Amino acid sequence: AQSVTQLDSQVPVFEEAPVELRCNYSSSVSVYLFWYVQYPNQGLQLLLKYLSGSTLVKGINGFEAEFNKSQTSFHLRKPSVHISDTAEYFCAVSLSGGSNYKLTFGKGTLLTVNP
Amino acid sequence: GAVVSQHPSWVICKSGTSVKIECRSLDFQATTMFWYRQFPKQSLMLMATSNEGSKATYEQGVEKDKFLINHASLTLSTLTVTSAHPEDSSFYICSARVGGQVNTQYFGPGTRLTVL
Repeated sequence: AQSVTQLDSQVPVFEEAPVELRCNYSSSVSVYLFWYVQYPNQGLQLLLKYLSGSTLVKGINGFEAEFNKSQTSFHLRKPSVHISDTAEYFCAVSLSGGSNYKLTFGKGTLLTVNP
Repeated sequence: GAVVSQHPSWVICKSGTSVKIECRSLDFQATTMFWYRQFPKQSLMLMATSNEGSKATYEQGVEKDKFLINHASLTLSTLTVTSAHPEDSSFYICSARVGGQVNTQYFGPGTRLTVL
């Protein structure tokens, strides 16, 4: 079975600073990787996903992530954050191929952007 | 595109009553829908996978008779919490898979259930 570890439960940063949210996964087979954002009392919004091809994936709101197979990581980055980026961020994996579409989520990282 | 709605957004009920939560895909057909439960400040836990026209597949530890799932059409899935108790209070989120988009789920806004 696959698993996801988000190494930081909380990340406080100042506005306009760069940020990296870390995600490591474990799986014996190939996986697809996702980052979702959740604003308070809302559902999840897809930020970006890695399915195949280029290991650097660009998403919405200026976020990007890099898939590193050797380190089994999929860290999320943004060069300059805004107050509005304050939210909970979830990394998730699913098995590639077949008909198993289940997502396994990490525990989430709360990003707090301070003025 | 790919909008998923949930109704109601929040509900308060008395212990012992049943509550139905609807999940709709508004602008696409969803062959597969998923139901998650999220406790405060925690991650999403998959409860069940719902395929249109067939019985839902429940995750280990989820009571089938307590959490009834029906996926009657390609745009609607419902979750009924039967004989609700305070420990069922949680944030319930559904998602829908878009056919042809590999492993991409679109999430609803969630339903906050409080059982008194």
